[in-house]
Amino acid sequence: ETGVTQTPRHLVMGMTNKKSLKCEQHLGHNAMYWYKQSAKKPLELMFVYSLEERVENNSVPSRFSPECPNSSHLFLHLHTLQPEDSALYLCASSHRTGRNLFFGEGSRLTVL
Amino acid sequence: ELKVEQNPLFLSMQEGKNYTIYCNYSTTSDRLYWYRQDPGKSLESLFVLLSNGAVKQEGRLMASLDTKARLSTLHITAAVHDLSATYFCAVDDSGGGADGLTFGKGTHLIIQP
Repeated sequence: ETGVTQTPRHLVMGMTNKKSLKCEQHLGHNAMYWYKQSAKKPLELMFVYSLEERVENNSVPSRFSPECPNSSHLFLHLHTLQPEDSALYLCASSHRTGRNLFFGEGSRLTVL
Repeated sequence: ELKVEQNPLFLSMQEGKNYTIYCNYSTTSDRLYWYRQDPGKSLESLFVLLSNGAVKQEGRLMASLDTKARLSTLHITAAVHDLSATYFCAVDDSGGGADGLTFGKGTHLIIQP
């Protein structure tokens, strides 16, 4: 496989569920990101990892919990989400932070 | 806080016409990126502009960067239907300590036959 792959592509969950989104990059990049894309809003940067260390957390609610076990994998753990958290969650990677991003196909999340 | 503004946010145009999308940003940056997003798809990198005066062209699209004016443009020449998509510019906040790119709201482009 090449590029950035995300699973699942679609996820429906209730507000009390716990689920995780997974991202894997096969580009040899050192930085990985989670972005949230909601209707009629700019892409929102949620988390940045560089060399497996978190370098930015843009005041994201604690119901979103990232995990980066190595430079190729990134997870977003979800628990007790709200309906307004329904969005497209995009994973991206780059050679280093601040450089051109390569995006995955996204995980479309619906919270009921 | 870095702000990135695109205009227009919505553009409907006819095939064969020329048009320009503008991207203004609020703080010093030497790196600007353009992305394309098709409906239901992810973002695809189009151009990377790394210095003042940089110009990149790919087919009917041409992007330029003026770091002094904090302005980038994406020019479409003789538009064709296949270019219908949402176009985003994004800026690296190289001086502010943030490590992700800040995106504009996107320009939703519809090209009609």
